[in-house]
Amino acid sequence: QVQLVESGGGVVQPGKSLRLSCAASGFSFNNYAMHWVRQAPGRGLEWVSGISYDGDKDYYRDSVKGRFTISRDNSKSTLHLQMSRLRVEDTAVYYCAREEDDFWSGYPYYWGQGTLVTVSS
Amino acid sequence: QSVLTQPPSASGTPGQRVTISCSGSSSNIGSNPVNWYQQLPGTAPKILISTNNQRPSGVPDRVSGSKSGTSASLVISGLQSEDEADYYCAAWDDSLKGGVFGGGTKLTVL
Repeated sequence: QVQLVESGGGVVQPGKSLRLSCAASGFSFNNYAMHWVRQAPGRGLEWVSGISYDGDKDYYRDSVKGRFTISRDNSKSTLHLQMSRLRVEDTAVYYCAREEDDFWSGYPYYWGQGTLVTVSS
Repeated sequence: QSVLTQPPSASGTPGQRVTISCSGSSSNIGSNPVNWYQQLPGTAPKILISTNNQRPSGVPDRVSGSKSGTSASLVISGLQSEDEADYYCAAWDDSLKGGVFGGGTKLTVL
């Protein structure tokens, strides 16, 4: 079955960097587009970034453009989110998610359990 | 302020029918499929309805989705206590070139 396991969360100071990873298993990772979605404490879901199955296309929400970079290593079935110049408002649980089918649809279908990122001085 | 608009709360008694609305624009709901997610307290979101009205396996048929123009709706019939959760609509936005979510609707079973 589809398994997505996030790691790399933690407490970091404003302005610093952090790299999240998502280990995928139970499916052919290199066939599916992937996304990161976050949820600030007590708030709603917020789409962060998405990447095509081959890594050729990537997309970001405006507030993270130029600071976050999504990437994937298909040989290791792993998705990454490199976050730099972190802000207090980036504090959230970050979820890794896979699309439903092996063509771009633009929405998450399967979700991981999330990893908490806390940006605080 | 979310791009997609949902009511912040909804409620019903066991057995009742509840409808949750989601309003968007021509660049998101008007052009792309709508998806609905259920988030039980303390857990990750789970897909409830995909591509406007498709129920993944395991989702009961008392749950349904529909779309018309730039709006969508989620209907839960025969309400049960286990339906108490947060519900989110989502779609791809062609203008923003990104995903957009509604602000979420907290469903309370009275």
